[in-house]
Amino acid sequence: DARVTQTPRHKVTEMGQEVTMRCQPILGHNTVFWYRQTMMQGLELLAYFRNRAPLDDSGMPKDRFSAEMPDATLATLKIQPSEPRDSAVYFCASDQSGSTVTGELFFGEGSRLTVL
Amino acid sequence: KQEVTQIPAALSVPEGENLVLNCSFTDSAIYNLQWFRQDPGKGLTSLLLIQSSQREQTSGRLNASLDKSSGRSTLYIAASQPGDSATYLCAVSDDYKLSFGAGTTVTVRA
Repeated sequence: DARVTQTPRHKVTEMGQEVTMRCQPILGHNTVFWYRQTMMQGLELLAYFRNRAPLDDSGMPKDRFSAEMPDATLATLKIQPSEPRDSAVYFCASDQSGSTVTGELFFGEGSRLTVL
Repeated sequence: KQEVTQIPAALSVPEGENLVLNCSFTDSAIYNLQWFRQDPGKGLTSLLLIQSSQREQTSGRLNASLDKSSGRSTLYIAASQPGDSATYLCAVSDDYKLSFGAGTTVTVRA
């Protein structure tokens, strides 16, 4: 049963601490997305990778957020330092687009982050 | 900037009734439109993907239509069941970027 795997599922941390979230996309999928979901803003695109290359990270606050894909089986999203306003559910999604157009997206179960 | 609107925000129906969920978008230059389902505390599950050249897609009790020129899509769920209770989101794709609506939360009463 192919699925996108995210860790941790839940994280509670204090303001100023570093947070790292990890994602294992579905094997063979060449595109990976990071989304953030809040009640106020809904789903927001933070970053997008195709074939491990970052193509768009315009949705991320650059001073504190960073996203990387060290290999095809791992994507990471790091927040340093974290702030209470970063509290949200962070989703990773992947698809198998043959071109630049997004295909059917498969989402992970999300990482719920609470920053105190 | 693409704006996606879903009306109503919430819907409650008795079991067996057909569901009609609406999605509208402001920029008709889309590549495709997807309908997702989200259960509480879970990720999103893709239900139907409609390419811009298509008018509709069907999967079991689900049928989604797309009218690109008017910027509208409708998701029909036939003979609703309590297990259909969830939030349904539509998303439109312009190239790689998906723009999501806020969702319609559906409750099917037994």
